[in-house]
Amino acid sequence: KAGVTQTPRYLIKTRGQQVTLSCSPISGHRSVSWYQQTPGQGLQFLFEYFSETQRNKGNFPGRFSGRQFSNSRSEMNVSTLELGDSALYLCASSSSGSSYEQYFGPGTRLTVT
Amino acid sequence: AQSVTQLGSHVSVSEGALVLLRCNYSSSVPPYLFWYVQYPNQGLQLLLKYTSAATLVKGINGFEAEFKKSETSFHLTKPSAHMSDAAEYFCAVTDRGSTLGRLYFGRGTQLTVWP
Repeated sequence: KAGVTQTPRYLIKTRGQQVTLSCSPISGHRSVSWYQQTPGQGLQFLFEYFSETQRNKGNFPGRFSGRQFSNSRSEMNVSTLELGDSALYLCASSSSGSSYEQYFGPGTRLTVT
Repeated sequence: AQSVTQLGSHVSVSEGALVLLRCNYSSSVPPYLFWYVQYPNQGLQLLLKYTSAATLVKGINGFEAEFKKSETSFHLTKPSAHMSDAAEYFCAVTDRGSTLGRLYFGRGTQLTVWP
């Protein structure tokens, strides 16, 4: 099976712009979670989608949003970018509502200038 | 909320030496526990997981971890380090309940292996 894929791998944006990141889970996986990784804060949970519904949400401002499509692919959007949004954004998928291990994609490196 | 503590942000060992990376969690109910490895400019790779009554868990690349409820620990070990083990290692935990789908991570331990 193909692994989790994320596009784009690298992105440079300017403060105030918005950005959309994409994640394709492993085939058959219905849960997709998003994490932000920074040197200062480590790995922080953004949100999780299961069957097109947001099931869990982390402690991030409303500028961070996401959605999941019927084929389980997910996107996350960050509006009004700030310098502090520069990070590695990781997407992870898991097989079902009762499966706990998550499989991660390679991440999208976002740089905000 | 769950929390995970990884003691030692940096660990250095010689090639062939024992690797011991420490992880403690905070939960009154045994959660599900995981170890992930991250190589530079890559995502996280699952090394092993604890989700059942088997307290000694074997993973990939010769790693294993032992779940000790009395110590709320899940330390990662490997008998003999290899140069290719140099990477950052993350311990993670998830509840069995309402926060399903959310992993809580430790701050990571950077493992350096000297020749």
